[in-house]
Amino acid sequence: AQSVSQHNHHVILSEAASLELGCNYSYGGTVNLFWYVQYPGQHLQLLLKYFSGDPLVKGIKGFEAEFIKSKFSFNLRKPSVQWSDTAEYFCAVHAGSGNTGKLIFGQGTTLQVKP
Amino acid sequence: ETGVTQSPTHLIKTRGQQVTLRCSSQSGHNTVSWYQQALGQGPQFIFQYYREEENGRGNFPPRFSGLQFPNYSSELNVNALELDDSALYLCASSFQQGGGYTFGSGTRLTVV
Repeated sequence: AQSVSQHNHHVILSEAASLELGCNYSYGGTVNLFWYVQYPGQHLQLLLKYFSGDPLVKGIKGFEAEFIKSKFSFNLRKPSVQWSDTAEYFCAVHAGSGNTGKLIFGQGTTLQVKP
Repeated sequence: ETGVTQSPTHLIKTRGQQVTLRCSSQSGHNTVSWYQQALGQGPQFIFQYYREEENGRGNFPPRFSGLQFPNYSSELNVNALELDDSALYLCASSFQQGGGYTFGSGTRLTVV
């Protein structure tokens, strides 16, 4: 079955600490990979996406993610977090082809950054 | 870009009732998907419409139904509401399959 697993449910960091959120997926076909962020009281926003090419992708607000095909992983990183990064982070896989398909989300990781 | 807009933002319904949620897709987007996000969970795919036809469905019962209109706006209808239907319902639109989806702010449905 297609699935996405996020390793950490709740992460607490101090400002300036480095961040890495794990994401593994289970899907046998070609995948497009995404990280979304949901700030408190706001809608889901796209942080970054991987379709093909360079497995290291850079997104908004200093975030980046690395696609490792052999490990079925797409971990999110940021060298130095800020208090404003406090939010819920979702990893997602687009499974399907052509005009079909759906986003499969992980259960989310709540990041709390202490000032 | 106008973004994806959903209405209403909050809704309280009684068990057994029916509800209709609405979504206006981002300008130029022809694909719309609906997701259910329970508290503390990631969004779960309900179904997707492309050019007014349903072309994908998740593990939701038939009492969850939808429509997409020629202007690409969409509705989600839920009949015979159950307490477990309480959740945030998200609409997402896209121009192409597999591309980045733009999400609306959601409708918070509470079933009592």
